[in-house]
Amino acid sequence: EVQLVESGGGLVKPGGSLRLSCAASGFTFSSYSMNWVRQAPGKGLEWVSSISSSSSYIYYADSVKGRFTISRDNAKNSLYLQMNSLRAEDTAVYYCARVGRVDIWGQGTMVTVSS
Amino acid sequence: EIVLTQSPATLSLSPGERATLSCRASQSVSSYLAWYQQKPGQAPRLLIYDASNRATGIPARFSGSGSGTDFTLTISSLEPEDFAVYYCQQRSNWQRTFGQGTKVEIK
Repeated sequence: EVQLVESGGGLVKPGGSLRLSCAASGFTFSSYSMNWVRQAPGKGLEWVSSISSSSSYIYYADSVKGRFTISRDNAKNSLYLQMNSLRAEDTAVYYCARVGRVDIWGQGTMVTVSS
Repeated sequence: EIVLTQSPATLSLSPGERATLSCRASQSVSSYLAWYQQKPGQAPRLLIYDASNRATGIPARFSGSGSGTDFTLTISSLEPEDFAVYYCQQRSNWQRTFGQGTKVEIK
């Protein structure tokens, strides 16, 4: 079955760190660029970061640049998002997604930044 | 960063009516535009890619058009399951920004 499963979300204090993981299965993970997209409670979708298949190209939204780091391990079929210096406005459901003619999205993992 | 502006913010229609949603880009995205449907508590579902191509399994009542900076998603006759929020996303560069969404609600 083709799927993406996120993990690692939770409650963290402002200024803290969290690492999200996304496990891919059912497709050749190493052949595809991957993305993180988030959605704050009651708000719209926000693209966060993208990484090319071989990690050669990495891009971030201005809102997270310098604080978040995307990475991947093709041998483990896994995508990661290291989030540092977290702020209240980073509170959201975080989705990993393969975007293209055929999209695959995970179920999302909730990150809450609150004291 | 390319900014996508969707209009209207909310569309109030009845089942069977035609829905027309707009997405305007701050600069040309060629035909690299996608449309998504999202229902509460669910991940987004791809409807249209490359401006006018229906994704696998998407009913023919959904159609997309446009190129450059102006795009339209049309739902020819609304079914009860079509009431949801719709987002456009540009894929012309790596910063795959989304529009702010259009909510299609039951009138």
